[in-house]
Amino acid sequence: QKEVEQDPGPLSVPEGAIVSLNCTYSNSAFQYFMWYRQYSRKGPELLMYTYSSGNKEDGRFTAQVDKSSKYISLFIRDSQPSDSATYLCAMSSSGANSKLTFGKGITLSVRP
Amino acid sequence: DTAVSQTPKYLVTQMGNDKSIKCEQNLGHDTMYWYKQDSKKFLKIMFSYNNKELIINETVPNRFSPKSPDKAHLNLHINSLELGDSAVYFCASSQGLAGVGAQYFGPGTRLLVL
Repeated sequence: QKEVEQDPGPLSVPEGAIVSLNCTYSNSAFQYFMWYRQYSRKGPELLMYTYSSGNKEDGRFTAQVDKSSKYISLFIRDSQPSDSATYLCAMSSSGANSKLTFGKGITLSVRP
Repeated sequence: DTAVSQTPKYLVTQMGNDKSIKCEQNLGHDTMYWYKQDSKKFLKIMFSYNNKELIINETVPNRFSPKSPDKAHLNLHINSLELGDSAVYFCASSQGLAGVGAQYFGPGTRLLVL
């Protein structure tokens, strides 16, 4: 089992839809959870950063972490064509040798 | 003002050549990283440096050698390039170790080995 599994894509939705992106993980030591957005031929851009379980909201984006189920989600409300990108979940434990482990990414296309 | 910058953006070279990629961050962060993103978009850590000290060295061929002259710079030198080295290489930085500090990525260097 891979440490981080991300729902395969691609995903295509109409403008205005609510999008749900999900990742599961197996390492119970993970405490820091992130979502990155990557536009074509660009570097990953940090979208959401969460520590431990709970919800975090930023504009149209909501990140949820459920450590008991080892499950994280990113919700995008009122999706826009400009949200079309690849979304990567990433997570890390703490400690000197901690490293960010990424999911494989899902490509989202929002149709006007 | 670019936070994390990399040079060059594109690198096309022949097998067997040696090449270097440079990275600079102006965020005042103390930790820097090199990642490799393959053709399937999978992003994997290669190295990380904290205050110029190597702290993560994943299973990467010895042909890859990172160097951090100071906290703001991290370079990657690749010897005897192989076809399989073709990928996008990203530099990143964070304040504090991975996870504790959110990582910010550069624009990437697209390496093509012919």
